[in-house]
Amino acid sequence: DSGVTQTPKHLITATGQRVTLRCSPRSGDLSVYWYQQSLDQGLQFLIHYYNGEERAKGNILERFSAQQFPDLHSELNLSSLELGDSALYFCASSDEASGLTDTQYFGPGTRLTVL
Amino acid sequence: DQQVKQNSPSLSVQEGRISILNCDYTNSMFDYFLWYKKYPAEGPTFLISISSIKDKNEDGRFTVFLNKSAKHLSLHIVPSQPGDSAVYFCAASAWRSGTYKYIFGTGTRLKVLA
Repeated sequence: DSGVTQTPKHLITATGQRVTLRCSPRSGDLSVYWYQQSLDQGLQFLIHYYNGEERAKGNILERFSAQQFPDLHSELNLSSLELGDSALYFCASSDEASGLTDTQYFGPGTRLTVL
Repeated sequence: DQQVKQNSPSLSVQEGRISILNCDYTNSMFDYFLWYKKYPAEGPTFLISISSIKDKNEDGRFTVFLNKSAKHLSLHIVPSQPGDSAVYFCAASAWRSGTYKYIFGTGTRLKVLA
């Protein structure tokens, strides 16, 4: 158990809908990262927040947005969902800001299925 | 454009032997590399990393080698154990313009046979 929690575990929705994925980092960790793992593209870094501020952005679509709240939990919002958004979404946390050299602890993931 | 490539989708190794997982990258701006292990139904777990100023980093049974001229890194697991059976991802990162890029390979599934 990494100490990172993600809810929900599974989510099934329809195209065009909007969903929110939630992540609680390990106690004391200020950084939260979001990743997408799809069948054909492997693991992709989406975005990194540190203490409420956006730190780095990867291949995150404009239909997706994220935020980190004062209590350090984070939410990833996915809107106008398409079939291709079906994937595993992982959240990770670390206690540092750099992202590059930090040891990240991953949550178990949220499996999103768009029908 | 896949900037980080793991060309072997799968690898089978006998228990006790060496496992060698390979990763190639195309962009010389990457200066930090990481390996993650992932079991089914779990998130990835950080394994080992290496900075571009080094060519080798060792942690117990795991050693990562970096060949900058060939833009190639490899993960050696010696001796391999059945519990090492998992998907292994390499990742490369670099600072650029006040932020960073962080690119993963597509993974190699390692199966260690008892």
